[in-house]
Amino acid sequence: GAGVSQTPSNKVTEKGKYVELRCDPISGHTALYWYRQSLGQGPEFLIYFQGTGAADDSGLPNDRFFAVRPEGSVSTLKIQRTERGDSAVYLCASSLNPSGGKDTQYFGPGTRLTVL
Amino acid sequence: AQKITQTQPGMFVQEKEAVTLDCTYDTSDQSYGLFWYKQPSSGEMIFLIYQGSYDEQNATEGRYSLNFQKARKSANLVISASQLGDSAMYFCAMREGYNTDKLIFGTGTRLQVFP
Repeated sequence: GAGVSQTPSNKVTEKGKYVELRCDPISGHTALYWYRQSLGQGPEFLIYFQGTGAADDSGLPNDRFFAVRPEGSVSTLKIQRTERGDSAVYLCASSLNPSGGKDTQYFGPGTRLTVL
Repeated sequence: AQKITQTQPGMFVQEKEAVTLDCTYDTSDQSYGLFWYKQPSSGEMIFLIYQGSYDEQNATEGRYSLNFQKARKSANLVISASQLGDSAMYFCAMREGYNTDKLIFGTGTRLQVFP
């Protein structure tokens, strides 16, 4: 399909381990976003890329979280020394033409991360 | 203070009836955008409708319409002729100003459509 894809769909890890979550945006979309959704809550913004650079990383909770988008397409969200509180669904979205206005973010199916 | 407030944790509606899902927002910006997304049990967020703060007309997309009352800072979603497939979580979201592209979401409303 031509939508946003995310891998893996599920990830179970142990406390203290390192994880990588991958997002493949819609072809041609320059902007890519990461959100985190905890149970019973709406998505919470983490970071936004315009091209290869992080335009806004104000939502990253601490320095254990890091994201890259080296070629301006696929992005990887990296979490070091995972904690049980990191358990959530991590959603990725992409959009065609950001900077306000009607530009719509299209979401992927998410990665459900469980930290034991 | 909550930026986006959805006061209805759950709503029920009978098939073919209309339903209104409430959303109020808080911003001091003059320019902002309001979005509604649907999240079925599969988990994917599906874009439904957009309303810009300067749009004079209420947005409509098929069976979805947005009742935008700027002075009251409300942006309620109206679903007409409900279908069983409309059963899902519905999230209201806001983008503030032109200098940010992040969306701020409410806590959602779970809609259940019954036959």
